[in-house]
Amino acid sequence: QVQLQESGPGLVKPSETLSLTCTVSGGSVSSGRYYWSWIRQPPGKGLEWIGYIYYSGSTNYNPSLKSRVTVSVDTSKNQFSLKLTSVTAADAAVYYCARDDGETIDPWGQGTLVTVSS
Amino acid sequence: DIQMTQSPSSLSASVGDRVTITCRASQGISNYLAWFQQKPGKAPKSLIYAASILQSGVPSKFTGSGSGADFTLTISSLQPEDSATYYCQQYSFYPRTFGQGTKVEIK
Repeated sequence: QVQLQESGPGLVKPSETLSLTCTVSGGSVSSGRYYWSWIRQPPGKGLEWIGYIYYSGSTNYNPSLKSRVTVSVDTSKNQFSLKLTSVTAADAAVYYCARDDGETIDPWGQGTLVTVSS
Repeated sequence: DIQMTQSPSSLSASVGDRVTITCRASQGISNYLAWFQQKPGKAPKSLIYAASILQSGVPSKFTGSGSGADFTLTISSLQPEDSATYYCQQYSFYPRTFGQGTKVEIK
């Protein structure tokens, strides 16, 4: 079964770039029809969809973050990544990577907490 | 953006109770609606998609219904392991949006 695991720094300074990687095991990021997604959840709050990269390489981002977000894929490592520039305290959250098949988001990674602080 | 509004925001019910959570979209989304369960410190878990289709492995005590703008998630017989926060999510329009969550507690 497919499993996803986030990795990256847990602490980012304000105005810097948040970079996270999601490693996929038990499946391929190159396989068809999947949207490899990022979703975040500020502490104690609800879920916010960030965006995805489709297996074809096309991307779709939340307009609220679009100017700061890049999602990319590295098929040789079976990973996809998130970059969020110019972070502020409002970007502090648990970041989840997940697979979206167009109807449901499943599975999810366990999530990684990112704190924004100098 | 499509606004997803869940009600109630929280509820407390007894073991064995039938529990219903409502999710309303700010405009019609056909049946492009999913439900997730999230327990503290864990990632959300997919329960239902296409408004009423149970994800593989999810017990049949969970039932989803609705179309258009109004949807419900029903837990037929509440058990202690059902204590969690439940989220609806629309995937008819971009950006995908979630409801604010409904916290279900056991009395």
